[in-house]
Amino acid sequence: AQSVAQPEDQVNVAEGNPLTVKCTYSVSGNPYLFWYVQYPNRGLQFLLKYITGDNLVKGSYGFEAEFNKSQTSFHLKKPSALVSDSALYFCAVRDQAGTALIFGKGTTLSVSS
Amino acid sequence: DAGITQSPRHKVTETGTPVTLRCHQTENHRYMYWYRQDPGHGLRLIHYSYGVKDTDKGEVSDGYSVSRSKTEDFLLTLESATSSQTSVYFCAAKGAFSTDTQYFGPGTRLTVL
Repeated sequence: AQSVAQPEDQVNVAEGNPLTVKCTYSVSGNPYLFWYVQYPNRGLQFLLKYITGDNLVKGSYGFEAEFNKSQTSFHLKKPSALVSDSALYFCAVRDQAGTALIFGKGTTLSVSS
Repeated sequence: DAGITQSPRHKVTETGTPVTLRCHQTENHRYMYWYRQDPGHGLRLIHYSYGVKDTDKGEVSDGYSVSRSKTEDFLLTLESATSSQTSVYFCAAKGAFSTDTQYFGPGTRLTVL
């Protein structure tokens, strides 16, 4: 069965430092992977996705993610965190039928000034 | 929010009453989805639609029904609301291809007393 794990409930980082939000997946076949961000009382906003090709995917707001097939990981990264990056981040994988997404439980990112 | 609106945005109701949530999209997306978001669970799929009058169940479909009579509208009905259905409900939509991105509405916060 397809699944996604976000091993950290919360990540704390100081402004200006690099950040990483971890995601691992389990799929049969080629994975389609997504990152979304949710600000308080808002819907999910799409950040980036990996379908095929370059393992380093660039997305919105300076975020990028690295696909690692051997480690079945798709970690979200940003070179220099901003306080405004503080939010809830979700990793997701396309389900086996190719229709819906399976989400991780989310990681709260807190960036301190 | 990518042309996706939800109504109502907030609703408080009593156990045993029927409730209908509405999702409206303006981008002519083929697929539409209903998820619920609960702490510690991330987002879980309730039902989805792959065309007018074409729907299927998701992971947590018990107690919910859906209808899609027009491309732009996808309704979620709780026939007899229970306290366990207190949650935040998100609608999403995407195009016909499996690589297409899902875009989310702003959410509906439902409280069942």
